[in-house]
Amino acid sequence: QVQLQESGPGLVKPSQTLSLTCTVSGGSINSGGYYWSWIRQHPGKGLEWIGYIYYSGNTYYNPSLKSRVTISVDTSKNHFSLRLTSVTAADTAVYYCAREPDYWGQGTLVTVSS
Amino acid sequence: EIVLTQSPVTLSSSPGERATLSCRASQSVSSYLAWYQQKPGQAPRLLIYDASNRATGISARFIGSGSGTDFTLTISSLEPEDFAVYYCQQRNNWPFTFGPGTKVDI
Repeated sequence: QVQLQESGPGLVKPSQTLSLTCTVSGGSINSGGYYWSWIRQHPGKGLEWIGYIYYSGNTYYNPSLKSRVTISVDTSKNHFSLRLTSVTAADTAVYYCAREPDYWGQGTLVTVSS
Repeated sequence: EIVLTQSPVTLSSSPGERATLSCRASQSVSSYLAWYQQKPGQAPRLLIYDASNRATGISARFIGSGSGTDFTLTISSLEPEDFAVYYCQQRNNWPFTFGPGTKVDI
């Protein structure tokens, strides 16, 4: 059973960089054929797809966030990461990592506030 | 970007009733549509992928149908644990996009 767990600061100051890591267990990121994604959900709102990384390192980002987003992978640690720069209060959300479409982490709330 | 519209926004039903949820895409997504269920404080759970395939462990009362631009999720007989928010997601064009959700409440 594949499991994913997000980790990282729950509070980030405006204009700083949000950094989260998703640790995968029960399966290898290297196994191929899957998109390892980040999705977020603003409080009380719907789901917004941020982007994905393939095990090979290929990425695709939502154009609405592309200028601020980087997703990277460390296959030796079996984890992948999200960096979102220049955050504002509008980036306050629950951030999920996922092996789309079937395995999701539990989500982590990141609040942007001074 | 493909825009998904879900209707109704809220569906008020009772246990044992049949629920029909709709998802419409702004352009064809072939059969690359998924349905998720989300309960408060939980991550979305995959119910249906590729329009009509039930995910592992999902009850047969969840039935997905449709192709192109019009899709339906039918819950044949609502159980108490089915009251939740349901999202559709198109997986045909990047960026993948989600619908705004349908809340099924009692």
